[in-house]
Amino acid sequence: GAVVSQHPSRVICKSGTSVKIECRSLDFQATTMFWYRQFPKKSLMLMATSNEGSKATYEQGVEKDKFLINHASLTLSTLTVTSAHPEDSSFYICSATLGSMGTEAFFGQGTRLTVV
Amino acid sequence: SQQGEEDPQALSIQEGENATMNCSYKTSINNLQWYRQNSGRGLVHLILIRSNEREKHSGRLRVTLDTSKKSSSLLITASRAADTASYFCATDGSYGQNFVFGPGTRLSVLP
Repeated sequence: GAVVSQHPSRVICKSGTSVKIECRSLDFQATTMFWYRQFPKKSLMLMATSNEGSKATYEQGVEKDKFLINHASLTLSTLTVTSAHPEDSSFYICSATLGSMGTEAFFGQGTRLTVV
Repeated sequence: SQQGEEDPQALSIQEGENATMNCSYKTSINNLQWYRQNSGRGLVHLILIRSNEREKHSGRLRVTLDTSKKSSSLLITASRAADTASYFCATDGSYGQNFVFGPGTRLSVLP
């Protein structure tokens, strides 16, 4: 099946610094990728839709200046958490689907961000 | 926003027993999917059921879909300790390719 690779899997950073998370579709092109956030023992919440070559679409309540998304190529989307705060500590997961009809989604391995 | 709601939220069973998890949703869907997540890891796709299907099998998994009740169930038969994980249902999101996830069921299979 298709593979989505997410890097890094774990990162610890200091408050006030920025952290970049990469999401790559390894064997297919993804014009659209999605970024989710998951709090401990909770479900996944969609943060934003990453569109190749255009601006990301953010869900209500998600600060676009804090969570910068760049989708510069058909195989790479990046999420940058800027001026990280301990409240940003969470599990972040990206996904991409094959084709435009949105059937099975392929998820990255997730990134555990801890801000200290 | 959350659409799917899993029931129960936590389930503990003995190895060999069957585990049934339910999911309800609110709006019409094209398909519904079930995913598994081991603690702190990514999601693994288990099964997809389309809105015109009523039941689907995959190995020890059986998924049903009742669109009139807007509900689905996931049955894991002859459970194993390795089945211990969180299970999520996911329905079509508003953008067509994203998903709306339920809160999940944390399954613990005791040896």
